[in-house]
Amino acid sequence: DTGVSQNPRHKITKRGQNVTFRCDPISEHNRLYWYRQTLGQGPEFLTYFQNEAQLEKSRLLSDRFSAERPKGSFSTLEIQRTEQGDSAMYLCASSPEAQGGSSYEQYFGPGTRLTVT
Amino acid sequence: EDQVTQSPEALRLQEGESSSLNCSYTVSGLRGLFWYRQDPGKGPEFLFTLYSAGEEKEKERLKATLTKKESFLHITAPKPEDSATYLCAVRYNTDKLIFGTGTRLQVFP
Repeated sequence: DTGVSQNPRHKITKRGQNVTFRCDPISEHNRLYWYRQTLGQGPEFLTYFQNEAQLEKSRLLSDRFSAERPKGSFSTLEIQRTEQGDSAMYLCASSPEAQGGSSYEQYFGPGTRLTVT
Repeated sequence: EDQVTQSPEALRLQEGESSSLNCSYTVSGLRGLFWYRQDPGKGPEFLFTLYSAGEEKEKERLKATLTKKESFLHITAPKPEDSATYLCAVRYNTDKLIFGTGTRLQVFP
């Protein structure tokens, strides 16, 4: 078990460019989550998938942001027309599907640090 | 409104000096409270899940407890390697986690 992996680990881009991040969850986990974290803050929820279905999106996820999980395995998060305010750590997490009201813990990847210049 | 509040924001301890971190929450219908450890530049590392008031979990020098309004992370005889940011998160009406801003712990030898 290799855990959650994210690529790239670091991305520097110029304002106005598009960027795409990839997340590979733990293989037996069917839920996948994206969070954003800025310095000194806790992670903020962006969106999550159960298999290929996107079940919830945060109001933080403007129309410049789009996430996909086409085959229920890896996921991509794309940011179009990046702005300096998009600079943050983008975290991916995965968990098994919760059953009977129980809540399974989410396991996080190492994150992708985005810097928009 | 703040749904998860952690205190203190920062804590400096001498090695061996036990202390507690606090996480208070205002959500109703709690479906899980989670503690994570985060080292600089890394993703959060899962520590504990607590589901109901009175529940306790332990791992090495860490012990987490839960009441109806707050959770404590007790650190007994900490070592320098326990230095990190400790994050608390809650789950209530959906599967997303709502995080606090964390407590930055520094343990000095």
